[in-house]
Amino acid sequence: DARVTQTPRHKVTEMGQEVTMRCQPILGHNTVFWYRQTMMQGLELLAYFRNRAPLDDSGMPKDRFSAEMPDATLATLKIQPSEPRDSAVYFCASGSRVLNTGELFFGEGSRLTVL
Amino acid sequence: DQQVKQNSPSLSVQEGRISILNCDYTNSMFDYFLWYKKYPAEGPTFLISISSIKDKNEDGRFTVFLNKSAKHLSLHIVPSQPGDSAVYFCAALRGSQGNLIFGKGTKLSVKP
Repeated sequence: DARVTQTPRHKVTEMGQEVTMRCQPILGHNTVFWYRQTMMQGLELLAYFRNRAPLDDSGMPKDRFSAEMPDATLATLKIQPSEPRDSAVYFCASGSRVLNTGELFFGEGSRLTVL
Repeated sequence: DQQVKQNSPSLSVQEGRISILNCDYTNSMFDYFLWYKKYPAEGPTFLISISSIKDKNEDGRFTVFLNKSAKHLSLHIVPSQPGDSAVYFCAALRGSQGNLIFGKGTKLSVKP
């Protein structure tokens, strides 16, 4: 049963600490997205990759967020330093035909709380 | 500047009746429109899509209608079931960019 795997599922940290969220996309999917869900903004696009190359990260606060794909099986989203306003659920999604149909497969999300 | 707008944060419907969820968009360059469904503590799951060259797509109880002149699409669920209670996200794709943009979602409650 292929699925997108995200870790950690829950993270509570203090302001100023570094947070790293990891995502294992579905094998064979060449496009990976990071979204953030908040009550006010809904599903907000942070960054996405195709064939491991970053295509758009304009949705990320550049001074504190960074996204990478060290290899085809791992995508990371790092926040350093974290702030209370970063508290949200972060979703990773992957797809193989996104350009044609837009269909993405989402992970269960990483719920981040910054105190 | 929101390119995909869902103006109703919530909708309540009686079981067996029709649910209509609405979505507006501003960019006429979108190629595909999609609806995703999300249950609490889970990731969104793909529900149904429509190409910008079509005006209707049907899949079982779910039908999506696209009105390009009005830049408006809607999702119809008939008949509505309690298991349909979830948050529904409208999304739009520009194929040339591969960027999938979501609305803020509408929470549907189907009451028995």
